[in-house]
Amino acid sequence: DSGVTQTPKHLITATGQRVTLRCSPRSGDLSVYWYQQSLDQGLQFLIQYYNGEERAKGNILERFSAQQFPDLHSELNLSSLELGDSALYFCASSDPWGDTQYFGPGTRLTVL
Amino acid sequence: DQQVKQNSPSLSVQEGRISILNCDYTNSMFDYFLWYKKYPAEGPTFLISISSIKDKNEDGRFTVFLNKSAKHLSLHIVPSQPGDSAVYFCAASEAGAGSYQLTFGKGTKLSVIP
Repeated sequence: DSGVTQTPKHLITATGQRVTLRCSPRSGDLSVYWYQQSLDQGLQFLIQYYNGEERAKGNILERFSAQQFPDLHSELNLSSLELGDSALYFCASSDPWGDTQYFGPGTRLTVL
Repeated sequence: DQQVKQNSPSLSVQEGRISILNCDYTNSMFDYFLWYKKYPAEGPTFLISISSIKDKNEDGRFTVFLNKSAKHLSLHIVPSQPGDSAVYFCAASEAGAGSYQLTFGKGTKLSVIP
């Protein structure tokens, strides 16, 4: 158990809908990272927040957004969903020194 | 453009023997490297890491070697155990960029045969 929690574990929705994925980092970790794992692309970095502020952005679509709240939990919002958004979404957190990330169990999103 | 490559999608090894998983990278700015292990339906689990100032790091049965001139790293597991059967991901980050975002390889599925 990494100490990072993600909810829900599974999510099934329809094209055009909007969903919110939630992540709680390990106690004391200030950084939260979001990654997408699709079948053909492997694990890809989406976005990082550090202590409530956006720190880095990767291959994140404009239809996706994220935020980190004062209690340090983070949410990833996916809107206007398409079939191709079906994937595993992982959250990771790291301590203030940042060099090692610990991953949550993931949310499996299925868009029908 | 794949900056981190794991060219072997799968590897089978007998129990008790050495497993060697390889990883190549193209971005010379990467300065921190990690190996993660992943079981189905679980998140990646951190195994071992190495900074670019070192060429070897050891933790129990796991050793990571880094060859900066060849932009190559490898993970050695000795002795291999059936519980090591999983997908192994190599990852790299450029700490100097202000973010430790990870760039991952596509993984190598290790099967340890009893």
